Amino acid sequence: DSGVTQTPKHLITATGQRVTLRCSPRSGDLSVYWYQQSLDQGLQFLIQYYNGEERAKGNILERFSAQQFPDLHSELNLSSLELGDSALYFCASSVEVSQETQYFGPGTRLLVL
Amino acid sequence: AQSVTQLGSHVSVSEGALVLLRCNYSSSVPPYLFWYVQYPNQGLQLLLKYTTGATLVKGINGFEAEFKKSETSFHLTKPSAHMSDAAEYFCAVSDQGGSEKLVFGKGTKLTVNP
Repeated sequence: DSGVTQTPKHLITATGQRVTLRCSPRSGDLSVYWYQQSLDQGLQFLIQYYNGEERAKGNILERFSAQQFPDLHSELNLSSLELGDSALYFCASSVEVSQETQYFGPGTRLLVL
Repeated sequence: AQSVTQLGSHVSVSEGALVLLRCNYSSSVPPYLFWYVQYPNQGLQLLLKYTTGATLVKGINGFEAEFKKSETSFHLTKPSAHMSDAAEYFCAVSDQGGSEKLVFGKGTKLTVNP
């Protein structure tokens, strides 16, 4: 158990819908990262937040957005969903912005029908 | 831009045999290198990491990896495979002192045969 929690574990929805994925980092970790794992793209970095502020952006679509709240939990919002958005979404956390080990949550499996 | 190449999307070994999973990286700056393992229906767990210092890094579950700058490699080894090692293994790179994002390889699925 990494100490990072993600909800829900599974999500099934329809094209065009909007969903919110939630992540609670390990106690004391200030940095949260979101990754997408799909069969065709592999594991890709989406976005990073540190202590409530956006720190780095990767291959995140404009239909996707994220935020980190004062209690340090983070949410990833996916809108206008397409079939290709079906993937496993991981959240990871680390202590600070320096290159500390990233601890991964169990992931949220999203299926868009 | 950084990139990671993992040679062999599937590797099969016998129980007790040597495990060798290959990883080559490309980075314009000194890298930090990581190996993560993913068991079925689970998240990623860190096996080991190289940041600076000793180039031979020991990790959990008997795994180790050696950073070879001249070969831009960070291969993962374990002397004797166990059935419980069956999983998918990911090599990752990040900038040293730069972006904290991890760039992952495509993964290598390890099968251990009895």
